[in-house]
Amino acid sequence: GAVVSQHPSWVICKSGTSVKIECRSLDFQATTMFWYRQFPKQSLMLMATSNEGSKATYEQGVEKDKFLINHASLTLSTLTVTSAHPEDSSFYICSASGAELYSNQPQHFGDGTRLSIL
Amino acid sequence: RKEVEQDPGPFNVPEGATVAFNCTYSNSASQSFFWYRQDCRKEPKLLMSVYSSGNEDGRFTAQLNRASQYISLLIRDSKLSDSATYLCVAHNAGNMLTFGGGTRLMVKP
Repeated sequence: GAVVSQHPSWVICKSGTSVKIECRSLDFQATTMFWYRQFPKQSLMLMATSNEGSKATYEQGVEKDKFLINHASLTLSTLTVTSAHPEDSSFYICSASGAELYSNQPQHFGDGTRLSIL
Repeated sequence: RKEVEQDPGPFNVPEGATVAFNCTYSNSASQSFFWYRQDCRKEPKLLMSVYSSGNEDGRFTAQLNRASQYISLLIRDSKLSDSATYLCVAHNAGNMLTFGGGTRLMVKP
């Protein structure tokens, strides 16, 4: 149980393109979803937290107009990197938690999306 | 100062060796702690929870010292497949997780 699916797993696109990443909880209702970014040889850094039906809360230094987060349902959140540039190339990982979820861990992670901007 | 700090390593050890990782945290209000394992270009995966009473799972032993705000992970009889980055993680209010920078382990034949 507690499976989180993230899609796509790998994206390569040209500079200036907008890229959408989906995060789905497959077998539970995710009241909260988290988006992380990880640069090479660095740890996961939280970008934003989103609660279903509410605006996302962004961490300091993360541009909300560049990284658009939508959490319109209890099973789906999306992250759109608008007008992506090479410096946005990174590993983006989502995770989800559910209020009614019985689990041994507070968040369940998707497989991650490797974004490469040329 | 980072909220969760780890020695980045790398730790290069031979198969069969015992290796220990340390982690310190600064937020005394953190509710619980975990060790995650992350392989290259993969998502982090839960290795084990960390309790003050100690937690052992096969070759892995984790320990929490709240007075010193210190967490440890001991791996006995290292295997090649243990090569990965080990992340020390603090669980805070609102199901928030704060990750340490990770410690890289390389187990060699």
